[in-house]
Amino acid sequence: KNEVEQSPQNLTAQEGEFITINCSYSVGISALHWLQQHPGGGIVSLFMLSSGKKKHGRLIATINIQEKHSSLHITASHPRDSAVYICAVRSGGSQGNLIFGKGTKLSVKP
Amino acid sequence: SAVISQKPSRDICQRGTSLTIQCQVDSQVTMMFWYRQQPGQSLTLIATANQGSEATYESGFVIDKFPISRPNLTFSTLTVSNMSPEDSSIYLCSVALFTDTQYFGPGTRLTVL
Repeated sequence: KNEVEQSPQNLTAQEGEFITINCSYSVGISALHWLQQHPGGGIVSLFMLSSGKKKHGRLIATINIQEKHSSLHITASHPRDSAVYICAVRSGGSQGNLIFGKGTKLSVKP
Repeated sequence: SAVISQKPSRDICQRGTSLTIQCQVDSQVTMMFWYRQQPGQSLTLIATANQGSEATYESGFVIDKFPISRPNLTFSTLTVSNMSPEDSSIYLCSVALFTDTQYFGPGTRLTVL
C-alpha cells in the first residue's frame, strides 16, 4: 500500500462543475502539499497545509489530521484547470522528504 | 518565493551517452532536491544536494549514475550517465525555503532512444 493515496486517478468534468480530489496518507506528517503539474511537466505549489483549511481564488484545500485525509476542491471549474493534481506529504519535520501521491489527472471540458 | 529555471527543457539522447541538467535558483538556498518522474508515475527523490558537501542519494540511486554538483547556493547540476531508455523521464529540481514551502523547476523532459 502506498503511503499517499489519491482518488480518483482520472477525472473528467464539464466547465462550471465543482470538483473534489481526495488524498489519504498513512504516515505522520508535518505538512501536506497540493501541487499542480501542467502537461509540459512544470509543477506549481498550490497549498501547504498543516491544519484546517486554505482558500486561494477558486481553490480550497482542507486537511483532517486525525483522519489523515485532505481534499482539494475547485469551484466553477474551467478548461484551464486541466492538469495533474498531486498530493505530497512531508514527514520527519521541515527537513524531511516529500512523499508524493501518483496524482489525479483532471480534464475540464468546455 | 523562489523562481527556478532548468536547462535544457527537453532533450532526446542516444543510449550510452550522458546529459547534464542545470538548475538555477533566484535566491540562496541550502538544500536542493533532484526528482525523477517516470511516465505515469509519481515523483521519486533521487538525491538531496547541500552546498559544500556530498549529495545524499536515496535508495536505488548511486553517484556513478547520477553525479551531482552544487558549487554554490543558487546552482546545481544533475548528470544522467550512460543513459538507457529506462532513464526516459522528467527530471525536476526543487528547493524548500525556511517556510517549508516547496518550489519546483519547470522540469527537463528526457527521452533516451
